[in-house]
Amino acid sequence: KQEVTQIPAALSVPEGENLVLNCSFTDSAIYNLQWFRQDPGKGLTSLLLIQSSQREQTSGRLNASLDKSSGRSTLYIAASQPGDSATYLCAVRPFPSGTYKYIFGTGTRLKVLA
Amino acid sequence: NAGVMQNPRHLVRRRGQEARLRCSPMKGHSHVYWYRQLPEEGLKFMVYLQKENIIDESGMPKERFSAEFPKEGPSILRIQQVVRGDSAAYFCASSRLDRITTNEKLFFGSGTQLSVL
Repeated sequence: KQEVTQIPAALSVPEGENLVLNCSFTDSAIYNLQWFRQDPGKGLTSLLLIQSSQREQTSGRLNASLDKSSGRSTLYIAASQPGDSATYLCAVRPFPSGTYKYIFGTGTRLKVLA
Repeated sequence: NAGVMQNPRHLVRRRGQEARLRCSPMKGHSHVYWYRQLPEEGLKFMVYLQKENIIDESGMPKERFSAEFPKEGPSILRIQQVVRGDSAAYFCASSRLDRITTNEKLFFGSGTQLSVL
């Protein structure tokens, strides 16, 4: 059974710091992995999607890596800003699966202090 | 192009009442997914629907919960005789296709926060 774990559960950093959020999953048979951002009272916004054949994806100050064999993904945020404060969720889409039955982690609550 | 629309944003019900949650997918999307987020827990898959069909309801409780996605109108998640344990955020997501390329993203709505008194 696929399980997704995110560490740490919460993180506070001063503005400008580079930081890494961790995600681990127990079954390496996945289609892809997505990182989402969730703001209080709002829905989820997809940040990056990494296919199972890829090692990393980049978007602006964000870089996500995937090591499928070890069941790990990291989200790297460069030069953090107060606007980055949110909960970051990692989700894997198991294989085989023809649907979007994503398995979510419980998230990392990030607070960037001005 | 409006995103996934969910309403109401907040819903308060007393134990034993019925709760109806609505979701209008993004324009051009015909696949809808419902997820539930309990306090301090991750999102859990409930049900996957296409127009007029339930494809996968393996994550939905067998009793009191039902979902539909009619030919016309929004998808409805219905909870009968609500109990306090049903209090959670319910999120709807939509996609254009189902098992296409592996880089098809899910688009989520803002959720409905259900509170059962």
